[in-house]
Amino acid sequence: QKEVEQNSGPLSVPEGAIASLNCTYSDRGSQSFFWYRQYSGKSPELIMSIYSNGDKEDGRFTAQLNKASQYVSLLIRDSQPSDSATYLCAVQRGQAGTALIFGKGTTLSVSS
Amino acid sequence: SQTIHQWPATLVQPVGSPLSLECTVEGTSNPNLYWYRQAAGRGLQLLFYSVGIGQISSEVPQNLSASRPQDRQFILSSKKLLLSDSGFYLCAWSLQDRKGAFFGQGTRLTVV
Repeated sequence: QKEVEQNSGPLSVPEGAIASLNCTYSDRGSQSFFWYRQYSGKSPELIMSIYSNGDKEDGRFTAQLNKASQYVSLLIRDSQPSDSATYLCAVQRGQAGTALIFGKGTTLSVSS
Repeated sequence: SQTIHQWPATLVQPVGSPLSLECTVEGTSNPNLYWYRQAAGRGLQLLFYSVGIGQISSEVPQNLSASRPQDRQFILSSKKLLLSDSGFYLCAWSLQDRKGAFFGQGTRLTVV
């Protein structure tokens, strides 16, 4: 079982729609969860972090965490063409140390 | 503010040649440091991480090695490159507060 799993996509949504990105993880001891955005040819950029069960909102982005289900999600409201990128879910290991492990990413395409 | 420098931006090396990639962080002390590789169309693979000078954890057994000779310097090396070593190499840093990692601009390595 992979430590962090994401659907690779591509996920296509029209401009103005809600994009929903999902991620599951295997280490029950994990305490810190992150979403990164990566444009083609560029390095990843941290956009959201979440540490407690529930929702965390930041502008058009909402991160959701369910530790019982080992599930993290990212919602992007009012999607814009500029949101077209690969979104990477990252989980910081719990007991095993401080390593930050990434999923393979989901490619999002927002059409105008 | 903290900044991370990674060089070179691109590199073309023949098979069997050595490799040395360097990363330095400014504006902080005692950071966690990471080396990741992203092969074409694939996710971020953690190669090495370090929590302090001389402390290196290896994630994937291969012909690469890492060293941390100074607090804010992280070096990735190989004695003999393989074709499969081609990829986008990313250095990242984080603090002990487990609030995510921040990436350098990356080195695109092509082994020919």
